[in-house]
Amino acid sequence: AQTVTQSQPEMSVQEAETVTLSCTYDTSENNYYLFWYKQPPSRQMILVIRQEAYKQQNATENRFSVNFQKAAKSFSLKISDSQLGDTAMYFCAFEGPNTGNQFYFGTGTSLTVIP
Amino acid sequence: KAGVTQTPRYLIKTRGQQVTLSCSPISGHRSVSWYQQTPGQGLQFLFEYFSETQRNKGNFPGRFSGRQFSNSRSEMNVSTLELGDSALYLCASSLERLAGAYEQYFGPGTRLTVT
Repeated sequence: AQTVTQSQPEMSVQEAETVTLSCTYDTSENNYYLFWYKQPPSRQMILVIRQEAYKQQNATENRFSVNFQKAAKSFSLKISDSQLGDTAMYFCAFEGPNTGNQFYFGTGTSLTVIP
Repeated sequence: KAGVTQTPRYLIKTRGQQVTLSCSPISGHRSVSWYQQTPGQGLQFLFEYFSETQRNKGNFPGRFSGRQFSNSRSEMNVSTLELGDSALYLCASSLERLAGAYEQYFGPGTRLTVT
C-alpha cells in the first residue's frame, strides 16, 4: 500500500509571510497523482493544487505552489502572502494509476495564520 | 452546479444500532468514494462505487457496506455500531478518469457519534 507522511502536525505563519508544508510518500509506481487539500474549520475539503508525476514542471495556483521532487518522493506546498483564510488543516494525498479513485492521505498539518 | 451533499449532517446513535448515511454526488459524476476521518487514524478509505458497482474497498470490517443507485447517489451502512465508529464520514465524487487525474470533490461530511 502507498503511504503518505506529513511530519509537521502544526505550523503557524504571520499574515503576508510565506510558509512551506512538507509531504513525503512511498510508492513503486511511476505514474501517479498528488494533491493538496485544505479543510477549514467548517470541514468542507477543498482542492488546493494537484500534480501529475509525469510532469516535471511544478504546479502553481495563484499563491500556492508545489515543489515536486520525484526521485526524493517529496511534494511540499508553499503558500505565499499568507492570509487569515488560509487557516485550515492541509492534507497531502496520493492517487495511483490503478487504485480506482482511492486516495491515500497524510495525517495533515494544522496551519494557523497569525494576524 | 451544486456540490456534493450529505445527509444527515449530524447523527447520534447507540452501540449496537445501525446507521445509513446518504451522499448525492455532483451532477455528472459517476464515481463516489467514502472516507472515515478520525483524529487518531486520519482519513481512511472505505470504498468506491462507479456505475452501481463497488470497484475498490478499504480495510474495514464487513459491518461497513455501501451501495450506489442508478442516479449515482450512494449510501453507506454501518451495522452493529461500536464506540470506535464515531467519526466524520466524508463522501467524495469525481469524474471517471480517462486520462490524467480527476480530483475528488468532497461533501461536508456526516458527523456520527456513537454512545
